[in-house]
Amino acid sequence: DAGVIQSPRHEVTEMGQEVTLRCKPISGHNSLFWYRQTMMRGLELLIYFNNNVPIDDSGMPEDRFSAKMPNASFSTLKIQPSEPRDSAVYFCASRGLAGEYSGTDTQYFGPGTRLTVL
Amino acid sequence: AQSVTQPDIHITVSEGASLELRCNYSYGATPYLFWYVQSPGQGLQLLLKYFSGDTLVQGIKGFEAEFKRSQSSFNLRKPSVHWSDAAEYFCAVGASRGNKLVFGAGTILRVKS
Repeated sequence: DAGVIQSPRHEVTEMGQEVTLRCKPISGHNSLFWYRQTMMRGLELLIYFNNNVPIDDSGMPEDRFSAKMPNASFSTLKIQPSEPRDSAVYFCASRGLAGEYSGTDTQYFGPGTRLTVL
Repeated sequence: AQSVTQPDIHITVSEGASLELRCNYSYGATPYLFWYVQSPGQGLQLLLKYFSGDTLVQGIKGFEAEFKRSQSSFNLRKPSVHWSDAAEYFCAVGASRGNKLVFGAGTILRVKS
């Protein structure tokens, strides 16, 4: 299995531009998570999906952030307009459910997208 | 709500020495506990996890962790550290039912030769 795939790996953009981060979860996994990692705040959960449906987006910083999961094999995190304080590493993780819904299953992380907003 | 404290931001050990990374959690119900490792520029890789049963859990790369409910701790150990173990280590706690993982701030491990 290729693992969780994220693209791009690095993104440099200017303030005010739209940024789209992409994630392909592990095949067969039906939960997907978006995290942000910064020095100041550590790893924060932004949003997660179960079966392509957003379940909890309470971690999304503000309306400039949006996430979609149009199908089981693809998700996007969009920032519009971007600001310098959005600079961070954004991770996508996926998890498979072994039958009953459970928090015990492991989340598998992608390599991350390093976003720099100038 | 659950929380995790990793009291050591940096730890330096000599190659071949033993290692213990501390993790304390706060959660009112049965916790599900994880240790992840992150090498520079990489994503997080699961080292081990604890759900129930034997409180001493074995993981990959020779790591183990012990769950101590009375101390609300889940410390990570390795008897002999290798230079390749230099990385950042994260402890995380999950709710008994639910998707949310809450991560500690991480501990950066440096290995000196």
